[in-house]
Parts: sequence; C-alpha cells; structure tokens
Amino acid sequence: DGGITQSPKYLFRKEGQNVTLSCEQNLNHDAMYWYRQDPGQGLRLIYYSQIVNDFQKGDIAEGYSVSREKKESFPLTVTSAQKNPTAFYLCASSGQVNQPQHFGDGTRLSIL
Amino acid sequence: GEDVEQSLFLSVREGDSSVINCTYTDSSSTYLYWYKQEPGAGLQLLTYIFSNMDMKQDQRLTVLLNKKDKHLSLRIADTQTGDSAIYFCAEVGNFNKFYFGSGTKLNVKP
Repeated sequence: DGGITQSPKYLFRKEGQNVTLSCEQNLNHDAMYWYRQDPGQGLRLIYYSQIVNDFQKGDIAEGYSVSREKKESFPLTVTSAQKNPTAFYLCASSGQVNQPQHFGDGTRLSIL
Repeated sequence: GEDVEQSLFLSVREGDSSVINCTYTDSSSTYLYWYKQEPGAGLQLLTYIFSNMDMKQDQRLTVLLNKKDKHLSLRIADTQTGDSAIYFCAEVGNFNKFYFGSGTKLNVKP
C-alpha cells in the first residue's frame, strides 16, 4: 500500500541534543512538507521541498533543519537551538500542484 | 500570509446534522479542502471543492462554498459518535503551500 511513514511515533530529547524525525513516502510525490502542531492550534509549516535537493523555509524554520537527498525521504532535525520543541510533528507529501497533501501519522516529541 | 478562521468547538447529538464553518482570505485559491484528525493521528483527507463550484455532496458530507464571502462549510448528516474528531479546512497558496485553520473539535454526544 502507498503511503507516508513517520518514525518514531514517540521521541524524547535531552537538553542540548539534536534529534532527527524520519519521513518516508512511496507515493512518488515530488513535494514534501513538515508541520508542527501544538495543542489546540492548527498546523504551522516548518520546511517544504518541491523537488529533490531543494527545500525552502516555512513560517517557523528557526531551530530546525532538513535535507532532501532522495525523492522518498525528507528527514527533519530538531536542533538544540529550538528551545520549545515539545509538539506533534506531521509530515505530508503531494503530487502535482493543487493536488491534496497526504499525511503521515505523526511523531510526538517531548523533553526529558 | 493567508488567514483561515474556524470556530474551536462544536457539540451535537448523535443523529443530528453538524455544520462546521470556515472563512479564508485568498480569493485565488483553486481548491479548498477539509481534513479530519482523530486523536494522536495524522490528517485524513475528507473532501475538497473546486473554487468554481458552489456545492459538492459526497455521501453524508456536503461542502458549501460562498466565494463572494470567502466562506466554506462542511455539513455532516446523521452525525455518529465515530465522527468525533478535529476538522480542519485548508486553502492552497503558491507552491502548493496549504494554509490550515486552527481546527474545529466536534464532540458527538450519544
């Protein structure tokens, strides 16, 4: 079955530590996106990538980094510079322009 | 950036109709979407409407679009307890960037 896989489902970060969230898709989609969701709030765009080896900052990119070395993969690193990383992180992908975004099941990141 | 507004909560009784409302700002949006999010899960695409349509019906779901007022609504007929979730509307900007509302939490009482 085609879809988007995010791992791990739960992740804990220590102070000063970088952590990487995985996102893999087998939908053959060109575009991929990372969102952050805080309780009672909508989704805020962190980074997006329209094509391999290219990505752009979203609305809240500070303290995060991404790479897009393969079409299928778009990992997100939450760096120690992100002082409030506790949130639910969602990855999405889409095909052609104006086609819907499809979402993974999310990763919940907490601070130890 | 684009601003998408939704009311935060809606409570209905099982069997009643639910109407979830949304206002958006970008009149050039080609498509408008509705997503459903169950606890601890990602967003599931429910339905969408093309901007040149006024209404779209899909089984128990009816989407109404008032382009003049930039108002979108989702009606769920015969609401069931399994419909309890958070519902997000989204409009599409440049580079297929989606702008989501804050979500409406639907509570269905038995």
